Amino acid sequence: EVQLLESGGGLVQPGGSLRLSCAASGFTFSNYVMGWARQSPGKGLEWVSIISASGGSTYYADSVKGRFTVSRDNSKNTLYVQMNGLRAEDTAVYYCAKGRLFGATHNWFDPWGQGTLVTVSS
Amino acid sequence: DIVLTQSPATLSLSPGERATLSCRASQSVASYLAWYQQKPGQAPRLLIYDASNRATGIPARFSGSGSGTDFTLTISSLEPEDFVVYYCQQRGNWPYTFGQGTKVEIK
Repeated sequence: EVQLLESGGGLVQPGGSLRLSCAASGFTFSNYVMGWARQSPGKGLEWVSIISASGGSTYYADSVKGRFTVSRDNSKNTLYVQMNGLRAEDTAVYYCAKGRLFGATHNWFDPWGQGTLVTVSS
Repeated sequence: DIVLTQSPATLSLSPGERATLSCRASQSVASYLAWYQQKPGQAPRLLIYDASNRATGIPARFSGSGSGTDFTLTISSLEPEDFVVYYCQQRGNWPYTFGQGTKVEIK
């Protein structure tokens, strides 16, 4: 059974940093694109970033480009996102998700983890 | 960015009735459209991908249709657990985008 477990969320001040992790199990992690999406009451659902199976290709939403960095450690079956320069509008539940198809970078994502809440506030 | 507009925002129906949800894209996404279901306190779950393919484990009462800019999710006979929120999402172009959601509520 595929399991995705996010961690690292919490309360951070504006301008601060946070690193989220997503521990994956139940599949060959290195064969699948992975992604981060977020959901906030004000902005709904938004894809934040995706990273190819090898880690060689990354994509970012314009709203986070230059502030967030996605990475993966295929030896540890773990996905990360380093979030710097956090703003109030980054407040959201952050989900990691697994690509549906083997190898393809542009993909549907299924399943998703349970999410971790990031709150940016002073 | 491609804007997805879902309608209606809220759909009030009774168990056993047929639900028809719409998603319109601001430009063609070919068949690169998916539908997700989200229950309260849970992550979204993939229902339909590539406009009309049911994801693994999804009941046959869920079906999708459409291509280009106009898409439909149909629930043939609503079960009690179907009264939740549904989102469409496109991957025709990055950034992938979601619609704002349709809430299916009990009438």
